[in-house]
Amino acid sequence: DVVLTQTPSILSATIGQSVSISCRSSQSLLDSDGNTYLYWFLQRPGQSPQRLIYLVSNLGSGVPNRFSGSGSGTDFTLKISGVEAEDLGVYYCMQATHAPNTFGAGTKLELK
Amino acid sequence: EVKLQQSGDELVRPGASVKISCKASGYTFTSYSMHWVKQRPGQGLEWIGAIIPIIDTTEYNQKFKGKATLTADKSSNTANMELSRLTSEDSAVYYCARLPDNSRFAYWGQGTLVTVSS
Repeated sequence: DVVLTQTPSILSATIGQSVSISCRSSQSLLDSDGNTYLYWFLQRPGQSPQRLIYLVSNLGSGVPNRFSGSGSGTDFTLKISGVEAEDLGVYYCMQATHAPNTFGAGTKLELK
Repeated sequence: EVKLQQSGDELVRPGASVKISCKASGYTFTSYSMHWVKQRPGQGLEWIGAIIPIIDTTEYNQKFKGKATLTADKSSNTANMELSRLTSEDSAVYYCARLPDNSRFAYWGQGTLVTVSS
């Protein structure tokens, strides 16, 4: 199975600070169809996850544009340009290029 | 409005089975695959598998073959997951989710807590 390694595991930030989360894959996530099936999710405390980013860099519906995704191949990044209080929680990357779908272990974003 | 309404929390005995349902509304049920995800207390997310309702095709994480069985009832727009031979390792919150590959719109159920205890 593809292993996704997220760093850092815990991220302390102040409101308004810009932060980045890395997701590195054990295999290239570029599919033979030309797509890269890498996604980002946020799970706020006590809530179901929500999908923020699909196909590396596309914003989900209703997701603020302070979130952005980038990367290719095996290295991917989620950036939050100006953390807000509602952004606190655990962030997960997920790949769906190689069966089975796998998630990273998560990055907890907390207030400094 | 798209909604995935899951069945209530379950307390089940070791060795027993449990069936969790996920009723979809607000969209054409057969147009999207339904995924299932496991989350043990305080832990991360684990993909169990998915079903394509229109053709009743399933894909499983090998780890969950023999443990989880996914079905879809097109007459009631409901996806189901049955977990068998339950042990304490199966105690978790289970989510259904509509996670299309290439769409802005993705949805999750509220989660069903399964507690395996005698």
